[in-house]
Amino acid sequence: KAGVTQTPRYLIKTRGQQVTLSCSPISGHRSVSWYQQTPGQGLQFLFEYFSETQRNKGNFPGRFSGRQFSNSRSEMNVSTLELGDSALYLCASRGGDGNQPQHFGDGTRLSIL
Amino acid sequence: GQNIDQPTEMTATEGAIVQINCTYQTSGFNGLFWYQQHAGEAPTFLSYNVLDGLEEKGRFSSFLSRSKGYSYLLLKELQMKDSASYLCAVILNDYKLSFGAGTTVTVRA
Repeated sequence: KAGVTQTPRYLIKTRGQQVTLSCSPISGHRSVSWYQQTPGQGLQFLFEYFSETQRNKGNFPGRFSGRQFSNSRSEMNVSTLELGDSALYLCASRGGDGNQPQHFGDGTRLSIL
Repeated sequence: GQNIDQPTEMTATEGAIVQINCTYQTSGFNGLFWYQQHAGEAPTFLSYNVLDGLEEKGRFSSFLSRSKGYSYLLLKELQMKDSASYLCAVILNDYKLSFGAGTTVTVRA
């Protein structure tokens, strides 16, 4: 069974640009969550999608948005990039609901110049 | 807000035992996960506790006390490959996962 796949693995952007990151969950998993990981803040929850609907949202500004498609693949978009957005963005999927463990992708390393 | 505390760093010798503590004060509790993350890699699931007590999985064990808001991850017979960051995460009432900042464990020969 293939794991969670994130593309691209690395990305370099400049301030003010926008970026779209992609995540393909494990086959059969309908829940996809996104996290931002930085050395100082650890793993911060961005949002969760389930069956194409945003089910939970963290405390990030509106520049961070996402969506989920009917095949459960998800995209995350960040507009008007800032230097502080430099981070590892991790996507995780889980099967079923409730207390199933999340399975993480390798992440997209985003660097803002 | 959610408050999940774990030590920043721990160092231990190969073959020894290390215990990583995690205390939490959260709005709601539906269980606690432990994840391992090697540098530059994705976090991987280690254990899940929802009831009080000890869950053992080979060299790794995890303990939970809901009344004390406390968990620990016990790593026995440490190996060099156990050098990694260990993340404690609480499942909240809305099934969001709230993570601690992680504990970096360094295993020395």
